[in-house]
Amino acid sequence: GQNIDQPTEMTATEGAIVQINCTYQTSGFNGLFWYQQHAGEAPTFLSYNVLDGLEEKGRFSSFLSRSKGYSYLLLKELQMKDSASYLCEVGFQKLVFGTGTRLLVSP
Amino acid sequence: ETGVTQSPTHLIKTRGQQVTLRCSSQSGHNTVSWYQQALGQGPQFIFQYYREEENGRGNFPPRFSGLQFPNYSSELNVNALELDDSALYLCASSLPGLAGASVTGELFFGEGSRLTVL
Repeated sequence: GQNIDQPTEMTATEGAIVQINCTYQTSGFNGLFWYQQHAGEAPTFLSYNVLDGLEEKGRFSSFLSRSKGYSYLLLKELQMKDSASYLCEVGFQKLVFGTGTRLLVSP
Repeated sequence: ETGVTQSPTHLIKTRGQQVTLRCSSQSGHNTVSWYQQALGQGPQFIFQYYREEENGRGNFPPRFSGLQFPNYSSELNVNALELDDSALYLCASSLPGLAGASVTGELFFGEGSRLTVL
């Protein structure tokens, strides 16, 4: 199967920058998505990368290196409301989610 | 609001029973995917429907089955419920992909149906 690895949990303080990494096996890769999921809610789309490089969208940026099977989500100027799980989802023949990274932002 | 609606939002069943979960996709989306999310885990892909045909399946037993209707709404059926089936079931619709392709674009999720099996 296609393994997707993310750290289980991360902590950071308000105003800081945090980078959440995601690694995956490269065979059959067809695009990578990042989603945010607050506790008890459905995931919501954050970003999509299919080519190498950085995609910036306000406080959030996502980077992809296809040859390395590696992506990261960068969150700047952290706010308390950014406390959530961040899911890396990779498109192979089917769409596969990682287990998610639980981010806790403290004051 | 994603325009994807699921029902029921919560339900309780006992082992051995059967359950049907429903999903209305966002207008214009002909692809619907179903996911199972256990507490503290990422969503696990169950299957996807594209134009009323199953178009990809994850590692779930045959007692998990589905349907997609001409209006692209969908059902997930689970027979012979087991305790481990307790989870949040998420439906997601997506923009039309390439003909016959399993991989589509951004997923728009419904709020989910939380199933508890006792």
